[in-house]
Amino acid sequence: AQTVTQSQPEMSVQEAETVTLSCTYDTSESDYYLFWYKQPPSRQMILVIRQEAYKQQNATENRFSVNFQKAAKSFSLKISDSQLGDAAMYFCAYRSAEGGNFGNEKLTFGTGTRLTIIP
Amino acid sequence: EPEVTQTPSHQVTQMGQEVILRCVPISNHLYFYWYRQILGQKVEFLVSFYNNEISEKSEIFDDQFSVERPDGSNFTLKIRSTKLEDSAMYFCASGRALGQFNTEAFFGQGTRLTVV
Repeated sequence: AQTVTQSQPEMSVQEAETVTLSCTYDTSESDYYLFWYKQPPSRQMILVIRQEAYKQQNATENRFSVNFQKAAKSFSLKISDSQLGDAAMYFCAYRSAEGGNFGNEKLTFGTGTRLTIIP
Repeated sequence: EPEVTQTPSHQVTQMGQEVILRCVPISNHLYFYWYRQILGQKVEFLVSFYNNEISEKSEIFDDQFSVERPDGSNFTLKIRSTKLEDSAMYFCASGRALGQFNTEAFFGQGTRLTVV
């Protein structure tokens, strides 16, 4: 079974600064996807960024980027120019890709990191 | 932009009562999921549903839980006899339209279930 570990229960960053959230995972599979989801106080889960394991290039979405180290099974999220609206719980998640279209579609989540933005 | 909608946003029920949580997935999606999040804990997978049947379920999803897609648009989670420990946020999600291979699951805003 896959596991996802987020070792930082809480992080804080000054507004406009950069912060990196850590995530490691354990799997025996070679084909999978990794995600970062954001959960603001409204509790809705919002997709921030996605990484396919077969891609060597790190994914980026505006101020959000990842550092994907497949051999180390590490998937960190970097938030640049932090804004007050970035304050939220951030969850790292894993999804197998080895079942094809009818395969295992479930997400396995980490325990989350609560990010606070200091004005 | 299409979104997953869940009703109600908050439901309070007495222990032992049946509850039905409702979800309207994104209309052209083929895969549907329920997850739950006990307060302060991580999000946990309950069940996935594809082609009108359960494709996978977790050990949490025991006989008191059931899912249904009664009319081609709604996707429901029924808890037959609620227990105090069922109190949690329940998230519905959907993903993957026909012919698409994107992998994102789109989540609804959640239903907060409180069992008293």
